[in-house]
Amino acid sequence: GAVVSQHPSWVICKSGTSVKIECRSLDFQATTMFWYRQFPKQSLMLMATSNEGSKATYEQGVEKDKFLINHASLTLSTLTVTSAHPEDSSFYICSLGLAGDEQFFGPGTRLTVL
Amino acid sequence: RKEVEQDPGPFNVPEGATVAFNCTYSNSASQSFFWYRQDCRKEPKLLMSVYSSGNEDGRFTAQLNRASQYISLLIRDSKLSDSATYLCVVTRTGTASKLTFGTGTRLQVTL
Repeated sequence: GAVVSQHPSWVICKSGTSVKIECRSLDFQATTMFWYRQFPKQSLMLMATSNEGSKATYEQGVEKDKFLINHASLTLSTLTVTSAHPEDSSFYICSLGLAGDEQFFGPGTRLTVL
Repeated sequence: RKEVEQDPGPFNVPEGATVAFNCTYSNSASQSFFWYRQDCRKEPKLLMSVYSSGNEDGRFTAQLNRASQYISLLIRDSKLSDSATYLCVVTRTGTASKLTFGTGTRLQVTL
């Protein structure tokens, strides 16, 4: 299967700051990657689909101006949480989708906003 | 109603026990079905796909009943290492690659 890395694995920041999370596909070209968010004891929720060379598509209820996604290369997608607030504290996970429906997930980034 | 519903558990079972998890989904047009496993504070990992004919992988058996919109996972001869949260996952109508996750069922296998 594919190997996906994320950086950082955890981050603590002050309210109002912006945080960038990187998602890299190490062994496959990724034209499409997905960003999920998981709050404690809840299911993973798809936030957006990241498309290489074009704009991301966001799920209903996800603010595109707050969660900026950039997918400028076939191996890297970034998610920037702008002006983070405590309610943005969550586990953010990216995934790579290959042919078929299987997705390969990154190890996740745990964000804590103070 | 949630798109994918699971009993959150926890299921506490002794080693060697057989345990079954159930899942229901609301969208009859869902196309693909999976069980993922998620360890605490880790990413989900694919355990197995689920087919209408049923499928087995070692100690794990998955079943799909499209008429009832019901998915099951059976684990035989439970091991300590099976302790995790098991996520029922379906793909959305018309967007085969978008996954919808259940909240998961927590399993704790004890000595």
